[in-house]
Amino acid sequence: QVQMQESGPGLVKPSETLSLTCAVSGGSISTDYWGWIRQAPGKGLEWIGDMHYSGSANFNPSLTGRATISIDRSKNRFSLTVTSMTAADTAVYYCAKVGGRGFKDLDPWGPGTQVTVSS
Amino acid sequence: QSVLTQPPSVSGAPGQRVTISCTGSSSNIGSGYDLHWYRQVPGTAPTLLMYGYTNRPSGVPDRFSGSKAGTSASLAITGLQAEDEADYYCQTYDSSLSGWIFGGGTKLTVL
Repeated sequence: QVQMQESGPGLVKPSETLSLTCAVSGGSISTDYWGWIRQAPGKGLEWIGDMHYSGSANFNPSLTGRATISIDRSKNRFSLTVTSMTAADTAVYYCAKVGGRGFKDLDPWGPGTQVTVSS
Repeated sequence: QSVLTQPPSVSGAPGQRVTISCTGSSSNIGSGYDLHWYRQVPGTAPTLLMYGYTNRPSGVPDRFSGSKAGTSASLAITGLQAEDEADYYCQTYDSSLSGWIFGGGTKLTVL
């Protein structure tokens, strides 16, 4: 059974770059797509982007090119980078496996990691 | 404002049936993209509740069912239980936005 675990800094300064990692256990990352979703305080879910293990990626246009995703097959993990962070990027960030059943559903999810943007 | 519209809240007494709607448009649900439902207990990560409109992952009781009609989808919960109290989100793809979208979420309260 695949499990996901996010890790990264809890606090980021405005204008800095956020780097998060999602460790995948119980299965190989060399299958399907892997994605990131975030949830601002008291708000709903927002898709950030996803990447196929082969390298093709898709991102939410609202992030205006600030986000990138990379996959490290040797360590069975994938990462999210978001540049030029602002207070509006404060959120819980989740990683998830995409489309394991042939549908583009998100399952499972990691427990999430809180990221606060503040000086 | 979300492209997928959900009621902010619904409620029901234990044992009753409730439905949560997810209204989209021709660029998402109406274009035939699959839709999924997630359940989120506050303070925890969302979990998949329904995929491809009507399919339940293993472990999800058959009290939960999904449907589609035109540019809308619905999640029905029968035999409401206290443990069903959570936030529910729908998700699909939108061709105009070129990306995955979520509904704004619906808070289910069990009275």
